[in-house]
Amino acid sequence: GAVVSQHPSWVICKSGTSVKIECRSLDFQATTMFWYRQFPKQSLMLMATSNEGSKATYEQGVEKDKFLINHASLTLSTLTVTSAHPEDSSFYICSAQTDSGNTIYFGEGSWLTVV
Amino acid sequence: AQRVTQPEKLLSVFKGAPVELKCNYSYSGSPELFWYVQYSRQRLQLLLRHISRESIKGFTADLNKGETSFHLKKPFAQEEDSAMYYCALSGNFNKFYFGSGTKLNVKP
Repeated sequence: GAVVSQHPSWVICKSGTSVKIECRSLDFQATTMFWYRQFPKQSLMLMATSNEGSKATYEQGVEKDKFLINHASLTLSTLTVTSAHPEDSSFYICSAQTDSGNTIYFGEGSWLTVV
Repeated sequence: AQRVTQPEKLLSVFKGAPVELKCNYSYSGSPELFWYVQYSRQRLQLLLRHISRESIKGFTADLNKGETSFHLKKPFAQEEDSAMYYCALSGNFNKFYFGSGTKLNVKP
């Protein structure tokens, strides 16, 4: 079946640095991908919709300059957390929509810890 | 605004007992409703969607528009059903809005 892969699975970075998380659709093309974050024992919160070849659409309350999203190809979207702070520590999950539009696949998630 | 509510954080049942995981939603249009499951140390995976009207792993869910509910049911729980279950709503453009999740623990 279709697979969405995230890399890295976990990352630790220092406050003030930037960290990039990749989301790849391994065997299908995805014009649209989505980024979520999940705090411990809480639900997944949609952050933004990533569109190949155009700007991402951010949900209300999500800082676009803080969470940079680039969807440069039909199989890759990246989320860059800029000037990371400890409160950015979270579990980040991406999902990819098949180009037929009728199926969504989720990545395995990436743990970010900012120290 | 859209909202998905799962009132139970934890549900413990014995093997063979019926189980019902509750989900209520609010949405101004006509949403699609889903149940996703996350087994320990695995990624989220689709369990079922209301438009398919199918039974997966013995689970069923009926969309009740009058009560704005999409409860997940299984008549006889199995130990391997123990997992985190998320109810999700999709409106426009395949954006998903998730409930807070219910942890199902099936005891032997």
